[in-house]
Amino acid sequence: DAMVIQNPRYQVTQFGKPVTLSCSQTLNHNVMYWYQQKSSQAPKLLFHYYDKDFNNEADTPDNFQSRRPNTSFCFLDIRSPGLGDAAMYLCATSRDDHSTDTQYFGPGTRLTVL
Amino acid sequence: KNEVEQSPQNLTAQEGEFITINCSYSVGISALHWLQQHPGGGIVSLFMLSSGKKKHGRLIATINIQEKHSSLHITASHPRDSAVYICASSGEGNTGKLIFGQGTTLQVKP
Repeated sequence: DAMVIQNPRYQVTQFGKPVTLSCSQTLNHNVMYWYQQKSSQAPKLLFHYYDKDFNNEADTPDNFQSRRPNTSFCFLDIRSPGLGDAAMYLCATSRDDHSTDTQYFGPGTRLTVL
Repeated sequence: KNEVEQSPQNLTAQEGEFITINCSYSVGISALHWLQQHPGGGIVSLFMLSSGKKKHGRLIATINIQEKHSSLHITASHPRDSAVYICASSGEGNTGKLIFGQGTTLQVKP
C-alpha cells in the first residue's frame, strides 16, 4: 500500500546531541511537510518542500533544518535539541500544494530529550 | 484568538449516541479539513470540504461558507471512534498550509 513512513517511531536523545528524523513516501507526491506537535496542542508547521524547493515558516527556529535528497525521502535535523523540542514530529505529503489538496500523514516520531 | 475554533474541547458519549463537533473559522478559506488522531498515533484525513456536505460511512461533514462554520457528525458512535478530531482550514490561493483548530477529544464509552 502506498503510504507515508516515519522512522524511528520513538527517538530519545540527549540535550544538545544532534538528531535526525526520517520520512519516506511511496505516493510520489510533490510536497512533503514537517509538523511539530507538543502535548495537547495543534500541529505546527515547521517547513515544507515543493519538489526541491524549500519553504521555511517564519517562526521556525534555526535549530531545525531539513533535507530532501529525492522525491521519496525527507529528513528533519535538529542540530542542538533542547528540552522544549520534545514533541511528536509529523511528516505529511500532498500531491500538490494547492489549498484543496489532501495531506497524508505519517504515524509520527515521538522525540524525548533527556 | 485562533483563526480556527472548535467546540467542545472534550466530549464524552455513550455508545450509540449521535455526536456533533463544531468548527468555526474567522477568515476566508478554500477548503476545510477534518482530521482524526488516535492516541499516540498519526493523523488521518477524514474529509476535505469546499461546500455542502460529505458522507463516509457513519461520518458526515457539513460546511456553511456564509456562516464560516463546519460540523462533523458521527452516527451510532462506537468506542473505536474515541480519538481527537481536528478541523483545519486551508486558505485562499495556491497554498496547502493548514491552520489547525485545537482539537476535540472524544471518548465513547461502551
